[in-house]
Amino acid sequence: QQPVQSPQAVILREGEDAVINCSSSKALYSVHWYRQKHGEAPVFLMILLKGGEQKGHEKISASFNEKKQQSSLYLTASQLSYSGTYFCGTADTNAGKSTFGDGTTLTVKP
Amino acid sequence: EAQVTQNPRYLITVTGKKLTVTCSQNMNHEYMSWYRQDPGLGLRQIYYSMNVEVTDKGDVPEGYKVSRKEKRNFPLILESPSPNQTSLYFCASTGGGYEQFFGPGTRLTVL
Repeated sequence: QQPVQSPQAVILREGEDAVINCSSSKALYSVHWYRQKHGEAPVFLMILLKGGEQKGHEKISASFNEKKQQSSLYLTASQLSYSGTYFCGTADTNAGKSTFGDGTTLTVKP
Repeated sequence: EAQVTQNPRYLITVTGKKLTVTCSQNMNHEYMSWYRQDPGLGLRQIYYSMNVEVTDKGDVPEGYKVSRKEKRNFPLILESPSPNQTSLYFCASTGGGYEQFFGPGTRLTVL
């Protein structure tokens, strides 16, 4: 079952914050986040394993609520370079099968 | 440099003509996957492999074959391509921390 991402698209001004949500109907082993710029391959941002942890990398962080089967990606003080499509991927085991959401397109304007 | 390579990057072919898209990684990863990406549909997993000679179906395996005879290579085979297989294909290799490293993509057009 494919995870559901929301919103589908968001437009920000530089310096504004954004939250992208990822929700699954299945119990999850892990949630991983990627950013893809137009015409390029997806690039790994971070992974969260079951246990409800939160991770961060500079101004991009994420949380994983195992009980609610939800993850959120937080982008603070957005920069122009944050523009792209963000995908969440989920796995219900560590066996290699991954399912991705349809993506959230983030546009950061000057 | 750690990387995943795919060839060819672009391919235009005709219905029914067998083709292979190669994928190779130099990171000694055990897990590898193939995805297709279509507008508005995100990334859909075609096949994945947990190790040499171990492969399994993803969400959209119909019309595709894979093999994993060596750890570094994971080719995608289309025995009889059809127009609905026109898509952007990505190979990915999974590291020890479960992060996936994607190849540059292969844009396939089947006429």
